[in-house]
Amino acid sequence: GIQVEQSPPDLILQEGANSTLRCNFSDSVNNLQWFHQNPWGQLINLFYIPSGTKQNGRLSATTVATERYSLLYISSSQTTDSGVYFCAVERGGSGNTGKLIFGQGTTLQVKP
Amino acid sequence: DGGITQSPKYLFRKEGQNVTLSCEQNLNHDAMYWYRQDPGQGLRLIYYSQIVNDFQKGDIAEGYSVSREKKESFPLTVTSAQKNPTAFYLCASSILSTSTEAFFGQGTRLTVV
Repeated sequence: GIQVEQSPPDLILQEGANSTLRCNFSDSVNNLQWFHQNPWGQLINLFYIPSGTKQNGRLSATTVATERYSLLYISSSQTTDSGVYFCAVERGGSGNTGKLIFGQGTTLQVKP
Repeated sequence: DGGITQSPKYLFRKEGQNVTLSCEQNLNHDAMYWYRQDPGQGLRLIYYSQIVNDFQKGDIAEGYSVSREKKESFPLTVTSAQKNPTAFYLCASSILSTSTEAFFGQGTRLTVV
């Protein structure tokens, strides 16, 4: 099956710093999503980005499907950005079932 | 408010008992999913349903059962056959016809005591 690898596994930043999180996947994908898991466990949708670039405030994401990776950029980080960031993909050719395969996550801690 | 509601938030079960987790959505989404998350891990798919009265096994279906009698509801039963049921369970839905973007509920934390 498709493999999803996220890096780095852990990241500690000072408030105001920028960061880049990476997601590599081993096969073609129909769908790629980035999520932020808050301290209460809920998954918050950040981006639905099977290809291209999107921006939402201080966050942006780029997926290069042909090279099988996606990047999540966080600028001017805030303490509320802390938590776990997941990349999840839907394998290409699966007939649009919406089934997601998750990476192991990047745990971000932003210090004041 | 539109969204996905899971209940209860916390659930304690004795070994050998079956327990049912509720998931309801009012987004008019066609597909619904159940995922399991263990500490420090990503999510893994248990079961999914693309249409009422039909569902398929995911990667870790053993010890679980589901039903989809209504479009809005997709309950998950954790049976006594599940060897390690203590975990965080998340339900999701997606519209499918125009997008496979998934949206998640708040989760249910199940502990076997």
